[in-house]
Amino acid sequence: KAGVTQTPRYLIKTRGQQVTLSCSPISGHRSVSWYQQTPGQGLQFLFEYFSETQRNKGNFPGRFSGRQFSNSRSEMNVSTLELGDSALYLCASTGTYGVREAFFGQGTRLTVV
Amino acid sequence: AQRVTQPEKLLSVFKGAPVELKCNYSYSGSPELFWYVQYSRQRLQLLLRHISRESIKGFTADLNKGETSFHLKKPFAQEEDSAMYYCALSGSSNTGKLIFGQGTTLQVKP
Repeated sequence: KAGVTQTPRYLIKTRGQQVTLSCSPISGHRSVSWYQQTPGQGLQFLFEYFSETQRNKGNFPGRFSGRQFSNSRSEMNVSTLELGDSALYLCASTGTYGVREAFFGQGTRLTVV
Repeated sequence: AQRVTQPEKLLSVFKGAPVELKCNYSYSGSPELFWYVQYSRQRLQLLLRHISRESIKGFTADLNKGETSFHLKKPFAQEEDSAMYYCALSGSSNTGKLIFGQGTTLQVKP
């Protein structure tokens, strides 16, 4: 079956702009989690959506938000971009076995200039 | 506080040498521990989970609750093992939330 798909793969934005990233989970998976990966901080959990509801949230400012649609596809939005938001954003989908079987996308590389 | 610590940023060994990637965790409860691997230009993928007590690609990891550790070991390193390795923790298998360590780059020299 198809893996986790993230679009776009690369983005360049200017400070102050907003951006929307998309994640399509594996078919049948109802949970999508988002992570920020940076060289300094490593992989940090942003939030998780399950059946269109936010189930978990990490320690990120309110500029970071997300949503999930009825087909389980998820979007992540970052408003008022800062230089420090430059990172690789990964999403992971999980199915029946939860985090014991998490599959990651290839990520969206966001560069803020 | 929930935390995963990987003390080494870089571990460099020669092919055929034993490998031990260290992972310590802090969690008030009974977490589930995982090792993820990211090869160059590939996506992050699950390597091992403590609950399965399995050996994948020659790697094993034992959960030591007394020392709150989950070190990854391989008796004989191969060049294709060169990658970034992340230790991760989950408080519940019913969620998608993982807490990751900073990662350790394993470099296996010929």
